[in-house]
Amino acid sequence: ETGVTQTPRHLVMGMTNKKSLKCEQHLGHNAMYWYKQSAKKPLELMFVYNFKEQTENNSVPSRFSPECPNSSHLFLHLHTLQPEDSALYLCASSTRQGVYGYTFGSGTRLTVV
Amino acid sequence: SQQGEEDPQALSIQEGENATMNCSYKTSINNLQWYRQNSGRGLVHLILIRSNEREKHSGRLRVTLDTSKKSSSLLITASRAADTASYFCATDSTGRRALTFGSGTRLQVQP
Repeated sequence: ETGVTQTPRHLVMGMTNKKSLKCEQHLGHNAMYWYKQSAKKPLELMFVYNFKEQTENNSVPSRFSPECPNSSHLFLHLHTLQPEDSALYLCASSTRQGVYGYTFGSGTRLTVV
Repeated sequence: SQQGEEDPQALSIQEGENATMNCSYKTSINNLQWYRQNSGRGLVHLILIRSNEREKHSGRLRVTLDTSKKSSSLLITASRAADTASYFCATDSTGRRALTFGSGTRLQVQP
């Protein structure tokens, strides 16, 4: 285990469903991130939170809604997704400056049917 | 725009051989990092090199950085089958809120 826990590991949802991805870290990190990894594409940054405040929304569609209730927890709420949203969603955390690198969770493999 | 570009996209070698992967980037950086990803899993941080450093070692890993050419290389010596994974470079640049990753190099080490 890396210290960053993502649940669920796998998720299949219909386009009309609402689901949430959860990320939890107890490393004392102050920054948390959501990345999307699609086949044969670079990791795409979605959202950044520093000290619970969102500091980056990388032009992500509103059907993805992040929530960061505290520095240890990060959620990604999903609704009315499209099949092209199927991907591996990775959560990461770091110290505020990130100078020691990021710690990633194992990801949630999302399939939209 | 994509900051890091790894080369080659895929690499297949025999166990015991050295593996070299390259990364090019476009803008000035504070540091450059290398990560490893086993299939379908999260990324694992391997090594970080700062913009004022030229070379860094960690075990069987050797990273070089040439800021004049905006490029970095990752060398894995005496490769093992367990090194089979995808390797990504990521750049930390002033003005960007988070690391920017490349597309990765898929390394296959044949036993």
